[in-house]
Amino acid sequence: GENVEQHPSTLSVQEGDSAVIKCTYSDSASNYFPWYKQELGKRPQLIIDIRSNVGEKKDQRIAVTLNKTAKHFSLHITETQPEDSAVYFCAASGGGSNYKLTFGKGTLLTVNP
Amino acid sequence: GAGVSQSPSNKVTEKGKDVELRCDPISGHTALYWYRQSLGQGLEFLIYFQGNSAPDKSGLPSDRFSAERTGGSVSTLTIQRTQQEDSAVYLCASSLVGLGENEQFFGPGTRLTVL
Repeated sequence: GENVEQHPSTLSVQEGDSAVIKCTYSDSASNYFPWYKQELGKRPQLIIDIRSNVGEKKDQRIAVTLNKTAKHFSLHITETQPEDSAVYFCAASGGGSNYKLTFGKGTLLTVNP
Repeated sequence: GAGVSQSPSNKVTEKGKDVELRCDPISGHTALYWYRQSLGQGLEFLIYFQGNSAPDKSGLPSDRFSAERTGGSVSTLTIQRTQQEDSAVYLCASSLVGLGENEQFFGPGTRLTVL
């Protein structure tokens, strides 16, 4: 089955700096890669996703890149703000009719004012 | 519209007792997922229902865990003879699949504490 590795497990940055979180996956048939943000005590929420037919997607300060050859994808947050502090999870979903998501173990991002 | 709801929000039980956790998915969502999240840990997949297909139970940690989804809507996760290591937040999610949409919408979770 699919295996998703996520790094780093914790990341601390100064407000205004950029943050990058990286994930690798094992199943070459995976074609959907979402990122979820989970604030303390809250439910995970989708912040951005990318499909295998594109290499990059941006939404304001957030971007995701995908390298299918290398089987890795990354989340980039620019101009970080304290409210970006949360746990971020990457995930991968297999092809065909397999919609099950396999999640990485999460990255605790702390943005220091 | 209404999101995914779960009940109870908190459950405290004694070791050895059975518990039932309920999930109400978003209306019309054909896929439903259960996850377990221990303190400070990631999302551990438990079980996945998709339409009328047989559920994917590959994530259930033991035969004490079972889940049902009646009428393609509400789901119940049952844990029999609870153990202290079952203490965690149990999250349910649903998604609308079939049109390439995979976004999972999570419920608020049920925090289970086994004494």
